[in-house]
Amino acid sequence: SAVISQKPSRDICQRGTSLTIQCQVDSQVTMMFWYRQQPGQSLTLIATANQGSEATYESGFVIDKFPISRPNLTFSTLTVSNMSPEDSSIYLCSVNGGAGSNTGELFFGEGSRLTVL
Amino acid sequence: AQSVAQPEDQVNVAEGNPLTVKCTYSVSGNPYLFWYVQYPNRGLQFLLKYITGDNLVKGSYGFEAEFNKSQTSFHLKKPSALVSDSALYFCAVRGLTGGGNKLTFGTGTQLKVEL
Repeated sequence: SAVISQKPSRDICQRGTSLTIQCQVDSQVTMMFWYRQQPGQSLTLIATANQGSEATYESGFVIDKFPISRPNLTFSTLTVSNMSPEDSSIYLCSVNGGAGSNTGELFFGEGSRLTVL
Repeated sequence: AQSVAQPEDQVNVAEGNPLTVKCTYSVSGNPYLFWYVQYPNRGLQFLLKYITGDNLVKGSYGFEAEFNKSQTSFHLKKPSALVSDSALYFCAVRGLTGGGNKLTFGTGTQLKVEL
């Protein structure tokens, strides 16, 4: 399994500001995934971050709102831009095992709980 | 498109009794199926998965799940529940074709185990 560290673990933000969430993995991984979990709801995939190429966004999510960086095989950032109260969620980073692994399950970080006032 | 249904928002069970958390899925082709658990203010922890082989899969903390292809179900079970099992449980599916590496999650079932 992979150990995934996310920062910040929680934050309270003002409307209109932006916040960058960092995700560090203890091993090299091919793909990193960013999920959103809105209050009382399930997980929704925002985008898949591949090293060396642009992130692939799911329907309903756009790069201007959720820019993602993936500078190397162990690190990624997700920025939530121009935040509104509707962006209040837990944002989760996940990976699917080491480079070349295709075992199927994802490993998750502890999540970053954002509250937008 | 792949999807997962968890028909129960909450399941209540007495400690020591068996528990079942239900999950049905829809996917093209053969599925990869997963169960995750989320404790309050924590990320998701992987419990178990079904890829192929035995329909009964055993996982962490004494949990098991049974894959039933004809009913497209993957119910999570435990013979004897503990209060510490109280948490939010998510079922997830990944198709072997078309879905790529994407996991689709159910809406979650809150398990409450009482003394």
